[in-house]
Amino acid sequence: KQEVTQIPAALSVPEGENLVLNCSFTDSAIYNLQWFRQDPGKGLTSLLLIQSSQREQTSGRLNASLDKSSGRSTLYIAASQPGDSATYLCAVPIYNQGGKLIFGQGTELSVKP
Amino acid sequence: DGGITQSPKYLFRKEGQNVTLSCEQNLNHDAMYWYRQDPGQGLRLIYYSQIVNDFQKGDIAEGYSVSREKKESFPLTVTSAQKNPTAFYLCASTNGPSKNIQYFGAGTRLSVL
Repeated sequence: KQEVTQIPAALSVPEGENLVLNCSFTDSAIYNLQWFRQDPGKGLTSLLLIQSSQREQTSGRLNASLDKSSGRSTLYIAASQPGDSATYLCAVPIYNQGGKLIFGQGTELSVKP
Repeated sequence: DGGITQSPKYLFRKEGQNVTLSCEQNLNHDAMYWYRQDPGQGLRLIYYSQIVNDFQKGDIAEGYSVSREKKESFPLTVTSAQKNPTAFYLCASTNGPSKNIQYFGAGTRLSVL
């Protein structure tokens, strides 16, 4: 059974710092891994999707890596800004259950000015 | 503007009442999903549909019902049998469940009066 874990649960950093969010999964037979951002009371915004054949995916100040063999993904945020404050979630799809996503509990990020 | 529209944003249910949450997408996606989000429990799948006129139960389907009469619409009914309906409900869709990005709506917050 696939389980997804995110550490830390919460993180507070000063503006301008580079930071790394961690995501681990127990079953390495994944098709892809998706990172989302969720602002309080809002829906999920897709940030990056990494296919199983990829090692990295970049979008602006965000870089996500994937290591299937170790069951890990990281989301790197460069030069953090107060506007990056949100909860970040990672998720993997389950193919034989219609592609439903298994989510981690999320990391709540606070970037202080 | 392509996307997923959920309505209403806030909904209140009286005891013994059934309520229906709307989810509409204009992305031409085949697959649609309903997730429930509770504090400390992450997101859990209620129902999903991979094609019109077909849907499957997710992990927590008891007390809920859905229909998929049109490709763009996937309404969720919270029945009186759902004893703890207070939660944030999120609808999602994708055009390739195991390969492609899942897009989410802005959510509906349901509370019990």
